[in-house]
Amino acid sequence: AQTVTQSQPEMSVQEAETVTLSCTYDTSESDYYLFWYKQPPSRQMILVIRQEAYKQQNATENRFSVNFQKAAKSFSLKISDSQLGDAAMYFCAFLDGGSEKLVFGKGTKLTVNP
Amino acid sequence: DTAVSQTPKYLVTQMGNDKSIKCEQNLGHDTMYWYKQDSKKFLKIMFSYNNKELIINETVPNRFSPKSPDKAHLNLHINSLELGDSAVYFCASSQRPKTSADTDTQYFGPGTRLTVL
Repeated sequence: AQTVTQSQPEMSVQEAETVTLSCTYDTSESDYYLFWYKQPPSRQMILVIRQEAYKQQNATENRFSVNFQKAAKSFSLKISDSQLGDAAMYFCAFLDGGSEKLVFGKGTKLTVNP
Repeated sequence: DTAVSQTPKYLVTQMGNDKSIKCEQNLGHDTMYWYKQDSKKFLKIMFSYNNKELIINETVPNRFSPKSPDKAHLNLHINSLELGDSAVYFCASSQRPKTSADTDTQYFGPGTRLTVL
């Protein structure tokens, strides 16, 4: 079974600084997808970024980018120029290509300090 | 327009009661899901339906019964509620990919906080 590990239960960053959230996963599949979701206090689950395993290029979405290391099974999220609105729980998630079952990590709570 | 909506957003009820949570998506997706987020924020899939057909059923007590009247709706009915059922329940939807280049990204509703007293 696939597992997703987020080793940092909590992180903090100063406004305008850069922070990196870690995620590792375990799978024997070769066709899969990885996601980062953000859950602010409103509890809405918001898709931040996604990465297809077959793509070597790291995904980027404005201030959010990933460092996808397929061999190491690592998928970290970098948030540049952090803003107060980035404060939230961040969940890393894995989806294998043959299944609709999204497997989540336990989340990292990000605090942004003014 | 809300893409994935759930009603109600909050539900407080007594142990032993039966309750339902409704979910609707207007994204034209063919697959819908229910997830449970426990008090430690851990999210786990419960059910998945594709075109009204059950495709994932994760060791969930049979007090939980999903119902999909059409592919835009997936409701969750819970019988004989227990204290341990208190959680946030999320509905999500996605489109099953037709090619390997497609990604069936799941989009979530706002969640329903269920409190069982």
